[in-house]
Amino acid sequence: AQSVTQLGSHVSVSEGALVLLRCNYSSSVPPYLFWYVQYPNQGLQLLLKYTTGATLVKGINGFEAEFKKSETSFHLTKPSAHMSDAAEYFCAVTYSGGYQKVTFGTGTKLQVIP
Amino acid sequence: GAVVSQHPSWVICKSGTSVKIECRSLDFQATTMFWYRQFPKQSLMLMATSNEGSKATYEQGVEKDKFLINHASLTLSTLTVTSAHPEDSSFYICSATPPGEGGYTFGSGTRLTVV
Repeated sequence: AQSVTQLGSHVSVSEGALVLLRCNYSSSVPPYLFWYVQYPNQGLQLLLKYTTGATLVKGINGFEAEFKKSETSFHLTKPSAHMSDAAEYFCAVTYSGGYQKVTFGTGTKLQVIP
Repeated sequence: GAVVSQHPSWVICKSGTSVKIECRSLDFQATTMFWYRQFPKQSLMLMATSNEGSKATYEQGVEKDKFLINHASLTLSTLTVTSAHPEDSSFYICSATPPGEGGYTFGSGTRLTVV
C-alpha cells in the first residue's frame, strides 16, 4: 500500500521568500514521486518527478525537490516566490512496473503575498 | 511533450440526462488511461482504470452503471455519466502515461454541473 501526506493545507509566503511545501510518503517498494500544480478550474501540470537516479530533481518554474529515503520525504522548494506561483500543489506517489495506481496527497494551497 | 486532451472543458446538464466526456492522447498511444474525480477543495480520487479493448477496472465504491467507461481505441477513452444528478457535479480529470516517460500526463479537466 502507498500513501502521501502533505503537511499544511494552506501555506502563505511573501513574494520573494522561500517556498517550502512538505510531502511525506509511505511505500512498500521503491517509489516514483511527483509534484503537480493545479490552477483554478484547470487540470494538473507536472512540475517534476523522481523515478531513479539523482535525488535532487529540478522542475519547471524554478521548483526543485529532494528525495530523502531515510526521511521518506519529497519536499518541494523554490528559492524565491513569485505571484504566479499561487496555486494548489499536489504530491503523488506510485511505483514502477507498468501502469500503476497513483495516490495523491490532499494538496497544499500556496498563497503569495505581495 | 506528450499531450492529453480532454473535452469538453465544462458542461451543464439537466438532472436525469447523460453526459459524455472524452479523453484523447494526442501524440502517443495509451493502452491504459485513468479517470479521476475531484471534489471542491479536495484531492483527486481515482475512479477507474480504462483499458483499451477490455472492461474498465473500477475503484471500490464507484458505480459502474453510472460511470460508463469505453476505451475503444489506443488514443481515446470516454466517460459517460448516466442519469446525472446534482451530486455528480464535480471536476473530472483523465490521465495517461506516455511510453518511456515514467510519469502521468493529465488532461485539462471537465467541470460538470448538474442542475
